Amino acid sequence: DQQVKQNSPSLSVQEGRISILNCDYTNSMFDYFLWYKKYPAEGPTFLISISSIKDKNEDGRFTVFLNKSAKHLSLHIVPSQPGDSAVYFCAASDPKGSARQLTFGSGTQLTVLP
Amino acid sequence: EPEVTQTPSHQVTQMGQEVILRCVPISNHLYFYWYRQILGQKVEFLVSFYNNEISEKSEIFDDQFSVERPDGSNFTLKIRSTKLEDSAMYFCASPLADKIGTQYFGPGTRLLVL
Repeated sequence: DQQVKQNSPSLSVQEGRISILNCDYTNSMFDYFLWYKKYPAEGPTFLISISSIKDKNEDGRFTVFLNKSAKHLSLHIVPSQPGDSAVYFCAASDPKGSARQLTFGSGTQLTVLP
Repeated sequence: EPEVTQTPSHQVTQMGQEVILRCVPISNHLYFYWYRQILGQKVEFLVSFYNNEISEKSEIFDDQFSVERPDGSNFTLKIRSTKLEDSAMYFCASPLADKIGTQYFGPGTRLLVL
């Protein structure tokens, strides 16, 4: 049961251009969404999050957009840098119970070419 | 980013042996989580722990798994009798009290069961 989907396993972008990573979800109870960046053999690093009451959140080069009606979110990185090359996971949580565990997508490998 | 630490970074064990993975979460936090990532797959929720009790657990978290907070700061995940399919990266995560839903991950323990 893939409640969070990242349909693009990989993405290549030229340095300086925009990277757009996409994520879809099926569980309408999700009310909080996050993006993580991960290098091999390391833990996920939190990047940015958005609550379902918003449609946009920006932090430096990173912007997350949420389209609730389409159950779709995206992460924009502008400008992309070679150091951004990593696997990006979107994750979501719902208020069921109180634990708020995260449900992750399968990840997108971003490669920023110099 | 707030720091979550985990030990050991790597562990190799024989099938059927017990392993204990350790985590020091962000101090003064109430919730702690364990996740795992099998090579090439998505990050999966295992269990959440609140106030010295399991709050929620996934289907993966069967009777072979247990969690404890033995000394009030460290947080352990024990696998009683390891199986080959337990080979994975295991991550501990801790939320920030003022950023509900946002979890910060430790660097992980790479477990290899032979």
